Parts: sequence; C-alpha cells; structure tokens
Amino acid sequence: DVKVTQSSRYLVKRTGEKVFLECVQDMDHENMFWYRQDPGLGLRLIYFSYDVKMKEKGDIPEGYSVSREKKERFSLILESASTNQTSMYLCASSPGAGAGYTFGSGTRLTVV
Amino acid sequence: GENVEQHPSTLSVQEGDSAVIKCTYSDSASNYFPWYKQELGKRPQLIIDIRSNVGEKKDQRIAVTLNKTAKHFSLHITETQPEDSAVYFCAARDPSLGTASKLTFGTGTRLQVTL
Repeated sequence: DVKVTQSSRYLVKRTGEKVFLECVQDMDHENMFWYRQDPGLGLRLIYFSYDVKMKEKGDIPEGYSVSREKKERFSLILESASTNQTSMYLCASSPGAGAGYTFGSGTRLTVV
Repeated sequence: GENVEQHPSTLSVQEGDSAVIKCTYSDSASNYFPWYKQELGKRPQLIIDIRSNVGEKKDQRIAVTLNKTAKHFSLHITETQPEDSAVYFCAARDPSLGTASKLTFGTGTRLQVTL
C-alpha cells in the first residue's frame, strides 16, 4: 500500500520558534506538495517540488520555506512561527501530470 | 493561475436521496479534475477523477460529469448512505507547469446524510 507519512500528528509550538514538518513518501513520486487546510478556505498550496532540490512557491508561501534533499522527503519549515500559522498541514505526493495525489494524515500545528 | 469555485458549502440529504456538488474552473486549458473525500479526522482520499477528453465517468454510486464549454464539473452521488457523510473537495490541474501536477482545490462541501 502506498504511503505518505508525516512525522507528527499534533504539534504545539511557541511564537517565534523555528518549526520543521517532515513528510516521507515511499512511492518514488516526482512531485510533492505542502498544503494547509483551514475551515471555509479549503486546501491552499504553500510550496511544491517536482524534483529533488527543486521548489516552487504556491499560493501562500509567505512565512514558509521548504527543503527537498532526497526524492522521498519534503520538509516544510516555519522560520519564525506565528499564531496565524495555526492550522492543519497536509503533505501530498503525485507521480506526475494527470495523476491524483496521495495525502499524508496531516499535522495539526498549534502556535501559542 | 487556476481558480476553482465549489458549491454548495454544506449539503444535507436524506439517506437514499441523491447529492450533487458543483465546481467551476477558470483556465480552459485545465485537463484533469479529481474529487477527494475527507472523513472527519482523516486524510483526503481520491474517489473519482475525469480527464478533459471524457464527458462523464461512473463508479458504482458516484459519477462525475464535465462540461468543458461551460468550464464546470459535478459530482453525483446516488442512493446516499450515512458513510457518505464527509467533506468533498473538487480540484483542477493547473496546466501551466508542463508535467508537474499541481492541483487547485475548491473550498469543500460538507455533506451530511441523515437517517
């Protein structure tokens, strides 16, 4: 069974902390994505990567950065966490054009 | 970039009735339209998808229709059951990135099937 694994299910961090969210897929997919999910706003794309060491900004990249040093791992970094970054973060991967995503279980991040 | 609008935001139907969720997209070059179901506390999961060279696709009780001229697509669920209760998201593939498969999602529809 294909898997996308997010390292943490729940996280509580303090304002100003640097936060790392990790995502690993075992399907040899080229494309990986980070979305945040907020009530009434749906899924909004933060960053994505279509190859190792490649990254592209999504619709809401401000306050975030990413790292993809290996094909299977895509990390989301909150450089200085703020309370408005409290959200559910979903990682996804896809083999390429015309293919759906496989999502991870999500990380619910609370910034206090 | 692509913009996807989804309606309604909430939908309540009685068990056994049909449910229809509608989405519109902005970029006429979009060519792939998946639908995801997210049960409470779980990850979104792909339930059906359609490509732009097809007008309709069915899988048991669910079907998706695509009208490229009007730039809208719809999810149809027949004979609804309580386990169909979930949030449903439509999406459209942004074609501007070549082989990359970036999806733009609608804002979701919360479907509740009542007994």
